[in-house]
Amino acid sequence: GAVVSQHPSWVICKSGTSVKIECRSLDFQATTMFWYRQFPKQSLMLMATSNEGSKATYEQGVEKDKFLINHASLTLSTLTVTSAHPEDSSFYICSGDRGRGNIQYFGAGTRLSVL
Amino acid sequence: GIQVEQSPPDLILQEGANSTLRCNFSDSVNNLQWFHQNPWGQLINLFYIPSGTKQNGRLSATTVATERYSLLYISSSQTTDSGVYFCAARNQAGTALIFGKGTTLSVSS
Repeated sequence: GAVVSQHPSWVICKSGTSVKIECRSLDFQATTMFWYRQFPKQSLMLMATSNEGSKATYEQGVEKDKFLINHASLTLSTLTVTSAHPEDSSFYICSGDRGRGNIQYFGAGTRLSVL
Repeated sequence: GIQVEQSPPDLILQEGANSTLRCNFSDSVNNLQWFHQNPWGQLINLFYIPSGTKQNGRLSATTVATERYSLLYISSSQTTDSGVYFCAARNQAGTALIFGKGTTLSVSS
């Protein structure tokens, strides 16, 4: 299957700082990329969907000014958590696909801890 | 949007037993995937199965799209099968997979 690389795998930061998470599709061009968040013992919740060169579409309840998404190319999307607070501590997972109806490939996730 | 429900929420088995996990979805789908989430959080894709039946070793899956459900079968379970199994589906109008709440499987020796 195709590979999605996510970096970093683990990050610890102080409250009030910003953190950037990178998501790369290594061997395919991702028409669309997705960002999910998972709290302990819970399921994955979709945060936003992005297409290359377009503004991201955020799910209801997700603050677009706190979670900045940039989809600069068909192989790279970034999620920046701005002014992070302890309640933003979570597991963030990115995903990409080649288009609707196709399989979605997932990165290994980034565990964010905000102190 | 599409609703995805999984059952049972928890399943406890002895090694060697067989199990069936169920996923119900509320709309026609163009994508349905089963995942196993490992202890480090990575999602391991088990099947891409919007319809039909597939098998991979001790695992198999069947999706009956007209009746809006999918089943994941695990035969001769092993302790390494323990973990959370997620079903995720996407309907025609959606762009992203929507996840069910998962089934937590515990296999003891």
